[in-house]
Amino acid sequence: GDSVTQMEGPVTLSEEAFLTINCTYTATGYPSLFWYVQYPGEGLQLLLKATKADDKGSNKGFEATYRKETTSFHLEKGSVQVSDSAVYFCALSDGGGSTLGRLYFGRGTQLTVWP
Amino acid sequence: ETGVTQTPRHLVMGMTNKKSLKCEQHLGHNAMYWYKQSAKKPLELMFVYNFKEQTENNSVPSRFSPECPNSSHLFLHLHTLQPEDSALYLCASSQEVMGRNQPQHFGDGTRLSIL
Repeated sequence: GDSVTQMEGPVTLSEEAFLTINCTYTATGYPSLFWYVQYPGEGLQLLLKATKADDKGSNKGFEATYRKETTSFHLEKGSVQVSDSAVYFCALSDGGGSTLGRLYFGRGTQLTVWP
Repeated sequence: ETGVTQTPRHLVMGMTNKKSLKCEQHLGHNAMYWYKQSAKKPLELMFVYNFKEQTENNSVPSRFSPECPNSSHLFLHLHTLQPEDSALYLCASSQEVMGRNQPQHFGDGTRLSIL
């Protein structure tokens, strides 16, 4: 079945460091891929998405490219800020048949950025 | 402001109490979802509603009873809960259930503690 695997956390970085959070997926169809972010005390917010192979999603300095050949959707940011400290979730949706638009989430990666 | 409002934000209840969680979305979406987020566990999809009709019950115990009177409102009625039910309960909505490109919009959740 469909699933998402993302790197175990926690990830701790200094401000202005480069960030990569790895995400790989397994899907039977042609899924859409998402990154969500959860700030402390809040729900999940959509950070970016990509709907087909080679698409690049971007928002707030974060980027992720939909790589069908490696079934990956790694999240990157060139220079993190303290305000980026949060939990990041990779997710996929294939929207077909019995899954009825179900989102499959990874376990989440805690990011802490120090000043 | 995500467009999805959950109340209450925090709830403490005894195992014999009956309470309800409320979710309201102001986005004009047709699909609504309940998720359970427990510490150190993946996000768990509980229920899916499409145009007020329940389309998925993900093997949730009967002590959780959802209600969707219209496309904008979703309730989760709680009765005789167990300590392991303590978690963050998240509501989400999307434009349509079958849409693979449709991101879900989340509320900030209700933090539930069972004494």
